[in-house]
Amino acid sequence: GAVVSQHPSRVICKSGTSVKIECRSLDFQATTMFWYRQFPKQSLMLMATSNEGSKATYEQGVEKDKFLINHASLTLSTLTVTSAHPEDSSFYICSARPGGTSGNQETQYFGPGTRLLVL
Amino acid sequence: QKEVEQNSGPLSVPEGAIASLNCTYSDRVSQSFFWYRQYSGKSPELIMSIYSNGDKEDGRFTAQLNKASQYVSLLIRDSQPSDSATYLCAGFSSGSARQLTFGSGTQLTVLP
Repeated sequence: GAVVSQHPSRVICKSGTSVKIECRSLDFQATTMFWYRQFPKQSLMLMATSNEGSKATYEQGVEKDKFLINHASLTLSTLTVTSAHPEDSSFYICSARPGGTSGNQETQYFGPGTRLLVL
Repeated sequence: QKEVEQNSGPLSVPEGAIASLNCTYSDRVSQSFFWYRQYSGKSPELIMSIYSNGDKEDGRFTAQLNKASQYVSLLIRDSQPSDSATYLCAGFSSGSARQLTFGSGTQLTVLP
C-alpha cells in the first residue's frame, strides 16, 4: 500500500514552454500533498503544500505564478512549471499524506520524482 | 541553528559492520521523526518512523530517539553494499501544516 506515482518521470523542454507534472496517490486518499525540488547533491527543498480543494501554500522564495499547483481531487495534484528556464532544471518530487482513516496520518509517501531539463 | 542537522559525511563502513547515522533537531521541530533512504537519482523511501523516547527496531534497522538531548539516530546492523545511499532525517516543523523538514542527508558507503 501507500503508493504514489508521478508522471512524467523525465521531461526535456525548450526554454519558455510550460510543463505539467502529475502526482497521484494510487491506493489512498491524500488530503495533503507536498511538492519538493532537489538540485544535485542537495537535500529536498519544500516548494509548496497542496490541500485538496484549496489554494496551495508556497514556501518563501517560491513564485506561485511560476509554479502553479492544483489539487482538484483527493488522489491528484499537479505542478505546472510555467515559462520554464534552464535554471528550473531540477528533480521535482511530490509526496502525499494519507487523510481521514486512510492510514498513518503522520507519514508522507514520496513519488518517484520527475527529472526536468530545460534547454 | 538549522531545524534538523545531520553530519553530511561521507560515511564509509565495511560490509557487515554497524553504520551509525546521527541527527539533531531544534526546538522548532516536533517530536515525530522519520528516516528516509535515497538512492542516487531516486526519490526518498521511508525506512522508519519514531515518536517515543528509546529504541525502535525493524529488521537490521534501529532508530533511537532521545528527546532530552534532541537527537535521533539510525543504526544499520550487518551493513550491506546495497545499503549505500544517502540517508535523510526528517521531523515535523512546528505549526499546523505538519510539514516535514529534512536534514541535508548523510551519504553512506558500505564497502564490500
